[in-house]
Amino acid sequence: DVKVTQSSRYLVKRTGEKVFLECVQDMDHENMFWYRQDPGLGLRLIYFSYDVKMKEKGDIPEGYSVSREKKERFSLILESASTNQTSMYLCASGGTGDDEQYFGPGTRLTVT
Amino acid sequence: GNSVTQMEGPVTLSEEAFLTINCTYTATGYPSLFWYVQYPGEGLQLLLKATKADDKGSNKGFEATYRKETTSFHLEKGSVQVSDSAVYFCALSARDGGFKTIFGAGTRLFVKA
Repeated sequence: DVKVTQSSRYLVKRTGEKVFLECVQDMDHENMFWYRQDPGLGLRLIYFSYDVKMKEKGDIPEGYSVSREKKERFSLILESASTNQTSMYLCASGGTGDDEQYFGPGTRLTVT
Repeated sequence: GNSVTQMEGPVTLSEEAFLTINCTYTATGYPSLFWYVQYPGEGLQLLLKATKADDKGSNKGFEATYRKETTSFHLEKGSVQVSDSAVYFCALSARDGGFKTIFGAGTRLFVKA
């Protein structure tokens, strides 16, 4: 079975802190994605990566950055956390083209 | 641009009732269409998909048919169970969208015993 794991299920951080969310997949997928999920808004794409060291902005990249140094690992970084970044963060990986995506369990981040 | 619209929830049904969750899409190309399900406390998982017009995706008693003429991909199940309580997301992926997946807002389903 494909497995996508995320470093934390719940995280509480203070405003202004730097936050790292890590995601690891074990299926050698080329594509990896970071989404945030908010009630009534569905999933919104923050960043994605088609290959190691490559990244593309999604629909809402402001306030976030990413890192992909190894194929299996994709990190989301909040440089200076703000309260409006309180959300559920979902990582996903997938094959090429329009293949399905496989999701991790999510990290619920609260910024106080 | 490409988009997905699905019916607002929550939808509340009694066990063994018939389920329909409507989904329509806008896309300039020929997208692949998906239904994902999110159970409480979990990430999304693929429920079913269809990659071309008139294809029917099916899984766990759920079905959806890719209707290009009505740009729809409605999810149906003949007899729901309490364990089907979850949030359901309609989604599309298209070549002209760089294969980024576009998700609908999600529909929460509650099934009562």
